[in-house]
Parts: sequence; structure tokens; C-alpha cells
Amino acid sequence: NAGVTQTPKFQVLKTGQSMTLQCAQDMNHNSMYWYRQDPGMGLRLIYYSASEGTTDKGEVPNGYNVSRLNKREFSLRLESAAPSQTSVYFCASSDVGGIQSYEQYFGPGTRLTVT
Amino acid sequence: QKEVEQDPGPLSVPEGAIVSLNCTYSNSAFQYFMWYRQYSRKGPELLMYTYSSGNKEDGRFTAQVDKSSKYISLFIRDSQPSDSATYLCAMTWAGKSTFGDGTTLTVKP
Repeated sequence: NAGVTQTPKFQVLKTGQSMTLQCAQDMNHNSMYWYRQDPGMGLRLIYYSASEGTTDKGEVPNGYNVSRLNKREFSLRLESAAPSQTSVYFCASSDVGGIQSYEQYFGPGTRLTVT
Repeated sequence: QKEVEQDPGPLSVPEGAIVSLNCTYSNSAFQYFMWYRQYSRKGPELLMYTYSSGNKEDGRFTAQVDKSSKYISLFIRDSQPSDSATYLCAMTWAGKSTFGDGTTLTVKP
């Protein structure tokens, strides 16, 4: 099992450019999440998908869009990148959606720099 | 005010020391209380979780939850250089986790 995979690992964008971060999991998990991690600020939830076909906003959704392509894949899109979106982005998945879920499995992260 | 507040650190201790990492929270709805460990340039990995108030032990690690005080702790006994990492507390309700900002621990040989 590869677990949670993310592509790309690193990316440099110019202000105003767009890009899509890809995430896939092979654990047959229902729920998937996108977080950003900034120095000293822990993990902040951008968007999540409790099940295939549903997506919801998290704490910091502005400037991002998501697509739950199927049960395995959950992508994050930056339509017009800004320097404030420079961060490390983590995708995660969880076995059971709803109130019973707790453990999240994280991917290796994408380091994004916007100049 | 943040829902989850974590002691900021950083912490630097000698090998063999006992380490205490702490978080407080404000949302009484939180059901699961977790500790994740994150090595440099890696994704977080679940270390321990607890569901109820009390202590849970796993080897050198003990997780403690006090729901009446809304306070959780992680104790590391006989700390090792391999324990050097950032530790994140997290709390879950309705399928979503809220994370603390993390405490970076360095254990010196």
C-alpha cells in the first residue's frame, strides 16, 4: 500500500498563476482533507470531503477550490496564486466519515512557493 | 480565541529526561484526543489517541485527558534523540480534527 500520495512534491509559482495539487489514497477511505501548514501555526483545514460527491469548506477556504474526483482522489486548485498561499500543503484521509472517525493518514506534503 | 491551544515550545532536553507536552481546548463536543508526531519535512503520523478522561500508556508514552479541565498531556519517559520531532495535539468532533500549533522537541544525546 502506498497510503496517501501527493503530487507534486515542490512547486514554485508566480503571482496570478494557477495550479492543481493532486492527492490519492489507496486505503478505501471515505473522508479526505486538505490542510496547509505555516511555520508556528499548526495545520489549518482548507476543505474536506466526508464522502465521494461531497465537499465542504474548512477554516481557510478562500482562494482555493477542490474536486473529489472519485473515492480515491481529491484535488486542490489555486486559481490565481498569491504570495500568502506560500505554504506546505498536506492531504489526509480517514477511514470513517462522521462522528466516529479520528485517525487521519497524511501524505508527504507539497511545498509551494508563490513569488 | 483558538479552540485548541498548545504550549508553544520549543523544548530542548537531555537524553533520558521526562518530557511533558500540553494542550487546552474550549469545545466540549470534542470526542477523540490525539497526539501526532511530525518529523522534519514529513507528514504527521498518529502517535496515540484517547477517547475518555484518564491515562493511556504505550511503551514510553502516556497520554492523559482531563475533560473537566479541558486539558490533555503527552508524557515521554526516558526520552531518546529519535523522539526529536514536532508534536501536534488534535481533537476530533463530527469527523473533523482541530490541531494545535505544535511543540518542537529536541532531545540531545
